Amino acid sequence: LAKTTQPISMDSYEGQEVNITCSHNNIATNDYITWYQQFPSQGPRFIIQGYKTKVTNEVASLFIPADRKSSTLSLPRVSLSDTAVYYCLVGPQNTGFQKLVFGTGTRLLVSP
Amino acid sequence: EAGVTQFPSHSVIEKGQTVTLRCDPISGHDNLYWYRRVMGKEIKFLLHFVKESKQDESGMPNNRFLAERTGGTYSTLKVQPAELEDSGVYFCASSQVDGTTTDEQFFGPGTRLTVL
Repeated sequence: LAKTTQPISMDSYEGQEVNITCSHNNIATNDYITWYQQFPSQGPRFIIQGYKTKVTNEVASLFIPADRKSSTLSLPRVSLSDTAVYYCLVGPQNTGFQKLVFGTGTRLLVSP
Repeated sequence: EAGVTQFPSHSVIEKGQTVTLRCDPISGHDNLYWYRRVMGKEIKFLLHFVKESKQDESGMPNNRFLAERTGGTYSTLKVQPAELEDSGVYFCASSQVDGTTTDEQFFGPGTRLTVL
């Protein structure tokens, strides 16, 4: 499974847009890019997934360039409740047999 | 709809004792996974059930760990005998794949295991 590299931590203020970039230089053709969010004392929670270009849902946007060697999770107008650890994962999808490979994640701290 | 539940939320035991963790997946989910994070480390995969069958147990650290999923519903993870290095948070997740979704995994809150 492709290894991912992302910032260890980021700080932001409420109302700002936060972009977290993940590098995955060895991504395979059939790999998807998935982001999970984890709050303290909770399990990880799926945020968004994409294969190429741009994906948007009610929580975030995911930007993936043509070479797919990196991706950027964009959180619009963050609030204090967005303080969490964000994990970028890469692997095949829709196989039913995917074990998630977590890296160190990016610890986002949102301040007033 | 109830999410993935885990019991207990926290367990403190002495080295050499036995502990059994339980996970109740989302109803109808055939896939059940166990993960754990030991102190200062990343979340690591332990094993994967499809219904009652072990699909992948490549992440199980050693034979002191035994996972079961009798009947294909809830699952238990027993550690016997527990060692200090087993301390950490054990997560359970479940998913259902129907070929059209992103097979998102739904995680429980975790069980924090402390071995003294």
